Amino acid sequence: DAGVTQSPTHLIKTRGQQVTLRCSPISGHKSVSWYQQVLGQGPQFIFQYYEKEERGRGNFPDRFSARQFPNYSSELNVNALLLGDSALYLCASSWTSGGSDTQYFGPGTRLTVL
Amino acid sequence: DAKTTQPNSMESNEEEPVHLPCNHSTISGTDYIHWYRQLPSQGPEYVIHGLTSNVNNRMASLAIAEDRKSSTLILHRATLRDAAVYYCILRDRAGNNRKLIWGLGTSLAVNP
Repeated sequence: DAGVTQSPTHLIKTRGQQVTLRCSPISGHKSVSWYQQVLGQGPQFIFQYYEKEERGRGNFPDRFSARQFPNYSSELNVNALLLGDSALYLCASSWTSGGSDTQYFGPGTRLTVL
Repeated sequence: DAKTTQPNSMESNEEEPVHLPCNHSTISGTDYIHWYRQLPSQGPEYVIHGLTSNVNNRMASLAIAEDRKSSTLILHRATLRDAAVYYCILRDRAGNNRKLIWGLGTSLAVNP
């Protein structure tokens, strides 16, 4: 079975632009979480969705939004890009949203904001 | 917030056991202890998790202190492929990720 897939792999944007990142979870997984990982740091939690409903949101501004579709895939949108948004954006999927559940991560999307 | 403390870096020799410590003195009774590792240019990979009892799987063992304020990830025979950043994180039973914090992790170097 395919693992978590993310697209695009790399992306270059300029300040003020908007970006949409996509994630396809492992088949059967109903929960998707998004993380931002700045170089040299650990991942920071942005959003979690389960059964198309938002289950949690990290400490990120309203410029960040996400949604989950009926097929459980997900999109992360970032508006009005800042230089500080340059990072690796990771998507993770799991069967449920529970704390004992294993999260499976995709390879990430590397976003560079110039 | 559910915070963990790990050494910044550790070093091991190939085929020797490695013990990676993690302190989590503010752990609550419903927090699960998860370990992930991340190789360069890849997403994190699940290693193991536990609640109260020690756990074993094909990758590693997890030893949890009786008071649950610390835990140790044990790689029984380190290989070069085990060189990675290892993260210890706490996730509450309900999966409330608002309190989820990933620190800097431990960068493990394995010498041939």
